[in-house]
Amino acid sequence: GENVEQHPSTLSVQEGDSAVIKCTYSDSASNYFPWYKQELGKGPQLIIDIRSNVGEKKDQRIAVTLNKTAKHFSLHITETQPEDSAVYFCAASESYNFNKFYFGSGTKLNVKP
Amino acid sequence: KAGVTQTPRYLIKTRGQQVTLSCSPISGHRSVSWYQQTPGQGLQFLFEYFSETQRNKGNFPGRFSGRQFSNSRSEMNVSTLELGDSALYLCASSLQTGGGEAFFGQGTRLTVV
Repeated sequence: GENVEQHPSTLSVQEGDSAVIKCTYSDSASNYFPWYKQELGKGPQLIIDIRSNVGEKKDQRIAVTLNKTAKHFSLHITETQPEDSAVYFCAASESYNFNKFYFGSGTKLNVKP
Repeated sequence: KAGVTQTPRYLIKTRGQQVTLSCSPISGHRSVSWYQQTPGQGLQFLFEYFSETQRNKGNFPGRFSGRQFSNSRSEMNVSTLELGDSALYLCASSLQTGGGEAFFGQGTRLTVV
């Protein structure tokens, strides 16, 4: 099955700086890559996603890049704010036939004011 | 538009008991997936239901089962509870099955004592 690895496990940045979280996947059949933000006591919230036919996608301060050849994708958050502090998960889905996501182990992002 | 609703939010059960968790997806969504989240194993896929049919199942023992009703609401059952079943159980709702955006509920925190 698919194996998704995520780095770093913790990330501390100063408010206003950028944050980058990286994930790799093993199954070349994976074609959909969402990113989730999970705050304490809440369920994961979808913040951005990318499909395998696209190399980059941006939504305001958040962007995701995908390198299919190298099988890795990254989340970029610019101008970080304290409210960006949370745990971020990357995921990969390998089929058009059903919704089964393989998640990375998570990155705890701490944005210091 | 209401989000994904999971009930109850918290449960405490004794080893050997069984438990049923409920998930109401976003209106119009027909796919419901279940995940187990633990500090040690992260987010792991349990199963997905689409139009009352189980489409895929993760690597969990047969004590874990589920079903989906005609209104797309889903239930998950765990029988003969073990201490290791203590986790946050998350339900994700999708419009369709296969490569689509999945929206999570807040989860049910199950504690087995």
